[in-house]
Amino acid sequence: QQQVKQSPQSLIVQKGGIPIINCAYENTAFDYFPWYQQFPGKGPALLIAIRPDVSEKKEGRFTISFNKSAKQFSLHIMDSQPGDSATYFCAAKGGTSYGKLTFGQGTILTVHP
Amino acid sequence: GAGVSQSPSNKVTEKGKDVELRCDPISGHTALYWYRQSLGQGLEFLIYFQGNSAPDKSGLPSDRFSAERTGGSVSTLTIQRTQQEDSAVYLCASSLETGRAFFGQGTRLTVV
Repeated sequence: QQQVKQSPQSLIVQKGGIPIINCAYENTAFDYFPWYQQFPGKGPALLIAIRPDVSEKKEGRFTISFNKSAKQFSLHIMDSQPGDSATYFCAAKGGTSYGKLTFGQGTILTVHP
Repeated sequence: GAGVSQSPSNKVTEKGKDVELRCDPISGHTALYWYRQSLGQGLEFLIYFQGNSAPDKSGLPSDRFSAERTGGSVSTLTIQRTQQEDSAVYLCASSLETGRAFFGQGTRLTVV
């Protein structure tokens, strides 16, 4: 019940494309859903986060869509650039594990020039 | 400091030796997390400290792993009798109680 399932494992798009990464969760007590971006040799860095009282949040070229009834959320990257090539992790926390972040398995995104 | 600091950045140790990994969180952050990331894998939760509460140790993989957080600040993750399967990047993060978690650069541990 604590798992967060992320797909796809890897994704290749052309510059300007809109990659979409999906996550699903089971624990309805989760109340905070962040996305992290990780470059090789670096620690993950928070990109954008959402709480379940909204269905969409945009920050720059990054958008989270949230479907509470389906227990799913996704990351969209508009006008993707080669510099967006990285590993992306979704995560969730809340409920009895209020502080612990549970991560998805990650998606390796490659944006070709 | 400006961010979460971890030391050492790289550690090579012989199988069977003990190692200590250090994490200096962002000043004022009450929550501190340790995660492990094996090559090309996701982030595996190890342990979570929140203020003066008992730590959530549910992710520690065996009794060879332990962690302390002294004075609500610096944390040390200790791995006793290291095994080759312990080789990974160990990541530390800190946050305010309900806020965003900031990660350090990690310690790459190699057990030979």
